[in-house]
Amino acid sequence: SAVISQKPSRDICQRGTSLTIQCQVDSQVTMMFWYRQQPGQSLTLIATANQGSEATYESGFVIDKFPISRPNLTFSTLTVSNMSPEDSSIYLCSGLWGAREKLFFGSGTQLSVL
Amino acid sequence: GENVEQHPSTLSVQEGDSAVIKCTYSDSASNYFPWYKQELGKRPQLIIDIRSNVGEKKDQRIAVTLNKTAKHFSLHITETQPEDSAVYFCAAWWETSGSRLTFGEGTQLTVNP
Repeated sequence: SAVISQKPSRDICQRGTSLTIQCQVDSQVTMMFWYRQQPGQSLTLIATANQGSEATYESGFVIDKFPISRPNLTFSTLTVSNMSPEDSSIYLCSGLWGAREKLFFGSGTQLSVL
Repeated sequence: GENVEQHPSTLSVQEGDSAVIKCTYSDSASNYFPWYKQELGKRPQLIIDIRSNVGEKKDQRIAVTLNKTAKHFSLHITETQPEDSAVYFCAAWWETSGSRLTFGEGTQLTVNP
């Protein structure tokens, strides 16, 4: 299975600030994605992190709010910008392992915005 | 886009009984259907998956069935144990306008000792 390291594991932030979440995957991972999981809910795809180019965002998510970088195959960051309490959620990095579409998740970042 | 519906949202069974969770999907081009188990405070874990060229797959007490014609797939857990208690998510791999995994809303399974 893929190794995915995500940090920080949790943070408490003030309204209006930004938080950058880091994700490191092993070399078997081909595609990387960022998901959000609001309390008691399912996983919602924010964007696909593309190596060396702009991320592909899902409907309802925009680059200004959730800038994503993927400078190389094994590293990506998600920034939650200008945070409000509505951004309180778990953010999950995920990686597609090999060519067989098995998606594995990082341990998540529990974000609380005051 | 792809839409995945999952039922029931909650399921309570007695230890030793079987549990069945059902999902339907909308995109007939979807060809890969994984199931994830998420324990409280932990990441979703892939527990079993099935591809469209297979009708059924089994791994010990867990099995998944797929009906491509009806666009249904189901998770079956036999001889349930308290440690099976978790939220289970079905998903469908969607390749129209980019590749992505779309999740159902989840089923909270409680196994009572």
